[in-house]
Amino acid sequence: QKEVEQNSGPLSVPEGAIASLNCTYSDRGSQSFFWYRQYSGKSPELIMSIYSNGDKEDGRFTAQLNKASQYVSLLIRDSQPSDSATYLCAVWAGGYNKLIFGAGTRLAVHP
Amino acid sequence: EAGVTQFPSHSVIEKGQTVTLRCDPISGHDNLYWYRRVMGKEIKFLLHFVKESKQDESGMPNNRFLAERTGGTYSTLKVQPAELEDSGVYFCASSQPGTVPNYGYTFGSGTRLTVV
Repeated sequence: QKEVEQNSGPLSVPEGAIASLNCTYSDRGSQSFFWYRQYSGKSPELIMSIYSNGDKEDGRFTAQLNKASQYVSLLIRDSQPSDSATYLCAVWAGGYNKLIFGAGTRLAVHP
Repeated sequence: EAGVTQFPSHSVIEKGQTVTLRCDPISGHDNLYWYRRVMGKEIKFLLHFVKESKQDESGMPNNRFLAERTGGTYSTLKVQPAELEDSGVYFCASSQPGTVPNYGYTFGSGTRLTVV
């Protein structure tokens, strides 16, 4: 079992729709969770972090965390073509002192 | 504030040659990480420096890879001799001490290495 799992996609949504990206992780000791966005040929860019169970909203982005289910998700409301990118889920497990990444989900928002 | 800088941005070398990648972290960031992404796979951890010391090098694939961070500033990652499977994008990231759980890392733009 991979430490951080994501559906590779592509996830295709129409402009204006809600995009839902999911991530599961294996280490129950994981403490912090991050979503990075990576455009083709560019570096990963942090867009959201979440530490506590529940929802965290920032603009059009909402991160959701359920530690009991070891599940993290990212919702993007009113999706725009500019949101088309690969979204990487990353997990901080303090014992490892580093971020563990999933393979990423490619999102395509079509007009 | 300058970001994390990596160079070269691209490198194409022949199998058996040597390549050295460089990373300049954000000034004041003691933590420096190297990661690698092979096509279609996850970004995999290679190693972690705290200042000039290797904190964790558990992700280094084999002894053809040598990372250094003399003086605790910039870091180099040398691959010698390069093999075809070393192709990928090598990312460097940095952070201030104790901030990763809250703020994650800042990544450089990566070096795309192609071994032919």
